[in-house]
Amino acid sequence: EADIYQTPRYLVIGTGKKITLECSQTMGHDKMYWYQQDPGMELHLIHYSYGVNSTEKGDLSSESTVSRIRTEHFPLTLESARPSHTSQYLCASTQSGLETQYFGPGTRLLVL
Amino acid sequence: QKEVEQNSGPLSVPEGAIASLNCTYSDRGSQSFFWYRQYSGKSPELIMFIYSNGDKEDGRFTAQLNKASQYVSLLIRDSQPSDSATYLCAVNLNDKIIFGKGTRLHILP
Repeated sequence: EADIYQTPRYLVIGTGKKITLECSQTMGHDKMYWYQQDPGMELHLIHYSYGVNSTEKGDLSSESTVSRIRTEHFPLTLESARPSHTSQYLCASTQSGLETQYFGPGTRLLVL
Repeated sequence: QKEVEQNSGPLSVPEGAIASLNCTYSDRGSQSFFWYRQYSGKSPELIMFIYSNGDKEDGRFTAQLNKASQYVSLLIRDSQPSDSATYLCAVNLNDKIIFGKGTRLHILP
């Protein structure tokens, strides 16, 4: 069973607020990822990290930012939430050489 | 052309029958291939991965890879109602996992 956690699980917030979605894993994985997924739609990679102090933008343009100060922690921040940010955000991690990607339970975000 | 293509379905299969899910990919540099299952409102969970041409079996699941034709498939034998979900095909391309849109599978009781 994967040990990857996301908080909050659900978040309803007003437009313009700053929010941070937390993701932590206790497996010591070096690679971490953030995906965005709308209901019934495909996963879109928005950010990834291959290690501490390494962050890259994914294939889907996103107004969010990420940081990777510690191996186990990969938070995603939206400086000013908008209704278009309403979606499910999934965090995942894997270890180089293993390739098996483990997903967290996700955060469902609703911006009013 | 999208990098990973799947028929979105829904694919309806009677209980006990074999469900066959297909996926094609565009980049021959793709190195490894994955099948994930995702229940509605839940996170994807890995079912199988495959690196080499041929078949790989795990319980009721068999993954098949044909690199020459650039397709990968998943067979589910003795389909159960609990197999009803969306199945995501994914490929590892230059250390990034690229997902298809998924195929919705519905097992008919």
